[in-house]
Amino acid sequence: EAGVTQFPSHSVIEKGQTVTLRCDPISGHDNLYWYRRVMGKEIKFLLHFVKESKQDESGMPNNRFLAERTGGTYSTLKVQPAELEDSGVYFCASREMGSPLHFGNGTRLTVT
Amino acid sequence: GESVGLHLPTLSVQEGDNSIINCAYSNSASDYFIWYKQESGKGPQFIIDIRSNMDKRQGQRVTVLLNKTVKHLSLQIAATQPGDSAVYFCAENPRSSGGSYIPTFGRGTSLIVHP
Repeated sequence: EAGVTQFPSHSVIEKGQTVTLRCDPISGHDNLYWYRRVMGKEIKFLLHFVKESKQDESGMPNNRFLAERTGGTYSTLKVQPAELEDSGVYFCASREMGSPLHFGNGTRLTVT
Repeated sequence: GESVGLHLPTLSVQEGDNSIINCAYSNSASDYFIWYKQESGKGPQFIIDIRSNMDKRQGQRVTVLLNKTVKHLSLQIAATQPGDSAVYFCAENPRSSGGSYIPTFGRGTSLIVHP
């Protein structure tokens, strides 16, 4: 079974630019989550999809962040325009309800 | 607000020793808890989980203890090996105001195993 895959693994952009992160969850997992970890701090929840619907987006920091999940399969997280404080590692995870999360290896975003 | 936290940010042990990593939670609505291990450059990986109707669960070299009275969770690793060096996260799984279950993580404990 293929795991959760994220692309790219690293991204370095300048302040004001746009970046789009992609996540391919495990096939058949309806629940998809985005998290972010800033250096040395906790893994913070951003957003939860059930299939193509946003179930909970209470963790999205502001309207510069836009997440989509086309057809309930892969998901994208776009940051536009990026700010310095957006730097961190963005994790995607998927699961069947009631089961543990399966994480991707993350995208390390650096905004300069 | 309610949160998940860890008592010790860094734990150093000798190879072969037993390790204990602690975690406090405060959300009484949580009924499912998970420990994850994160190695450098990788995402968190599932280690072991426990539901609130249990107080102990054992896996291979790992044991999770749950004390609901004091809202405390611990991960015990027996005969710690250098390959156990990683950051360990506990997560609780409360139901959000939106109705969905959102795994919530603490800051993590860095376990360093010295050969």
